[in-house]
Amino acid sequence: EAGVVQSPRYKIIEKKQPVAFWCNPISGHNTLYWYRQNLGQGPELLIRYENEEAVDDSQLPKDRFSAERLKGVDSTLKIQPAELGDSAVYLCASSSQQVSYNEQFFGPGTRLTVL
Amino acid sequence: SQQGEEDPQALSIQEGENATMNCSYKTSINNLQWYRQNSGRGLVHLILIRSNEREKHSGRLRVTLDTSKKSSSLLITASRAADTASYFCATVTGGGNKLTFGTGTQLKVEL
Repeated sequence: EAGVVQSPRYKIIEKKQPVAFWCNPISGHNTLYWYRQNLGQGPELLIRYENEEAVDDSQLPKDRFSAERLKGVDSTLKIQPAELGDSAVYLCASSSQQVSYNEQFFGPGTRLTVL
Repeated sequence: SQQGEEDPQALSIQEGENATMNCSYKTSINNLQWYRQNSGRGLVHLILIRSNEREKHSGRLRVTLDTSKKSSSLLITASRAADTASYFCATVTGGGNKLTFGTGTQLKVEL
């Protein structure tokens, strides 16, 4: 079974530029999560989707961040414009209530560097 | 914001020794989970313990939970070089399966 797929794996941009990350969850997983992980810290949830509905976006900086999950499958997270402080690893995860304990499966992440 | 804090922040041991990591958290939980993260395999779920459980085992892993002290520990027995990674505890509170991660312990197992 394929895991959570993310692309790109690495992205280097200059500040004020836009950037987008893509995630394809495990097939059949209806819940999708985006996390941000700063260097030396644990991941922090940005947004959670149940199918195509964003059910928890309280931690998403809405002035510059946006996300979508059209058709309830893959998802895109966008930052526009990027700031220096956005440098981090962006992790996508998915889960299914059909899987024991609703375990979250994480993708490899996208490492963003803003210069 | 981080819910939990791991202790120690970094740990270096010899292969074959046991490694113990501790996690403290702030609010009542539904369950607590431990994850491992290394550059090769990303963030991987290790074990989950429910709030009404006190101890769980999985292979070389042993997790304890003390809800009165709001703390948990992860013991890795007979450590191997491949156990070198960062270990995070994460709590689930309320509904919605939201994970709140701690700050992590960096474990290095030397040959």
